[in-house]
Amino acid sequence: NAGVTQTPKFRVLKTGQSMTLLCAQDMNHEYMYWYRQDPGMGLRLIHYSVGEGTTAKGEVPDGYNVSRLKKQNFLLGLESAAPSQTSVYFCASSYGLAGVYEQYFGPGTRLTVT
Amino acid sequence: AQSVTQLDSQVPVFEEAPVELRCNYSSSVSVYLFWYVQYPNQGLQLLLKYLSGSTLVESINGFEAEFNKSQTSFHLRKPSVHISDTAEYFCAVRRMDSSYKLIFGSGTRLLVRP
Repeated sequence: NAGVTQTPKFRVLKTGQSMTLLCAQDMNHEYMYWYRQDPGMGLRLIHYSVGEGTTAKGEVPDGYNVSRLKKQNFLLGLESAAPSQTSVYFCASSYGLAGVYEQYFGPGTRLTVT
Repeated sequence: AQSVTQLDSQVPVFEEAPVELRCNYSSSVSVYLFWYVQYPNQGLQLLLKYLSGSTLVESINGFEAEFNKSQTSFHLRKPSVHISDTAEYFCAVRRMDSSYKLIFGSGTRLLVRP
């Protein structure tokens, strides 16, 4: 089992460029999540999904879009990157409801927007 | 709304000394409580959790945390730390009712010195 994998590991974007972050899990988990981690702020939930074909907004969804076309994949898109989106992005998945069931995290994607 | 406060951003300690990482939370409803650990350049891993029952919970590597409802705290302790415990530790809460969101604290960096 690879667990939760994220692609790419690092990326530098110019303001206004777009990109997609890919998260994949091989644990047959229903729930998937995208977080961003900023210094001194812990992790904040961007979007989440409770199953294939469903997505919902988290705490800080503005500027991001997501899709869950396949159960094992959860994509995070930035349509027009801004310097405020410089962050480390973590994907996570869980079998069931977060908290009751453990969330498994990927290794992260470090994104810099110049 | 829920919030989590980790007052200490960094805790330096010598190897084999005891340590306590503090976590206080605020919530109008009952919550589940968690501690996550993040080793350098890795994603978060669940360290321990309190869902119900005994207020003292333990991890497999010697950490323990005690849920104190009256003080709304969930402090993490270890009687004797190792160099390998150097990491960032995050406290998190989740409402007991239907919510998918984990609310994270800002993290405490534990730095164990020889």
